[in-house]
Amino acid sequence: GENVGLHLPTLSVQEGDNSIINCAYSNSASDYFIWYKQESGKGPQFIIDIRSNMDKRQGQRVTVLLNKTVKHLSLQIAATQPGDSAVYFCAESGNKLVFGAGTILRVKS
Amino acid sequence: NAGVTQTPKFRVLKTGQSMTLLCAQDMNHEYMYWYRQDPGMGLRLIHYSVGEGTTAKGEVPDGYNVSRLKKQNFLLGLESAAPSQTSVYFCASSYSSLRQGDSPLHFGNGTRLTVT
Repeated sequence: GENVGLHLPTLSVQEGDNSIINCAYSNSASDYFIWYKQESGKGPQFIIDIRSNMDKRQGQRVTVLLNKTVKHLSLQIAATQPGDSAVYFCAESGNKLVFGAGTILRVKS
Repeated sequence: NAGVTQTPKFRVLKTGQSMTLLCAQDMNHEYMYWYRQDPGMGLRLIHYSVGEGTTAKGEVPDGYNVSRLKKQNFLLGLESAAPSQTSVYFCASSYSSLRQGDSPLHFGNGTRLTVT
């Protein structure tokens, strides 16, 4: 939505470059993690997920990395395109599903 | 398939007025959820339902009521709107449990509510 961007960190990348968006999670018992993409005026859209028994999972142009030692999750987008511009947020699932606030990705042409 | 459809898209209420937000899904999902999204914050769960005829409180349920009379519909009611309820409201559905298992949440495009 339009107001989601307030006070969120912003990552600006050149079209064609790779993007890395980071997320720190809080619950060491969380065992399932999801990345969502939210374009302006739209609802969150599922991108990719990963379980705690994995360190890495790849999708189409996206890779999620999980470091359980430091409770860190990252989303890598290869060859970033203008259509990738959006807010990206992670969610962790332990005894409940908790969403992060998100990072704005701006792609410069 | 339309996925998850929310109506209305926008609404302005005066303090004390009531309204109902409608959510419909055509994916035959058992689980449905209502979230609110506020600037700089993650999505917060208001209420959810694990099946037709069931509802349960989420993280921020006060001032809201819900009903799930039909599997495909999940209604969110504001009994007496307050300015603190100004937000963007998202409905979501999933095939499996709240912890998702193998099934991520599918979201609607939101209802932007302003309470003056």
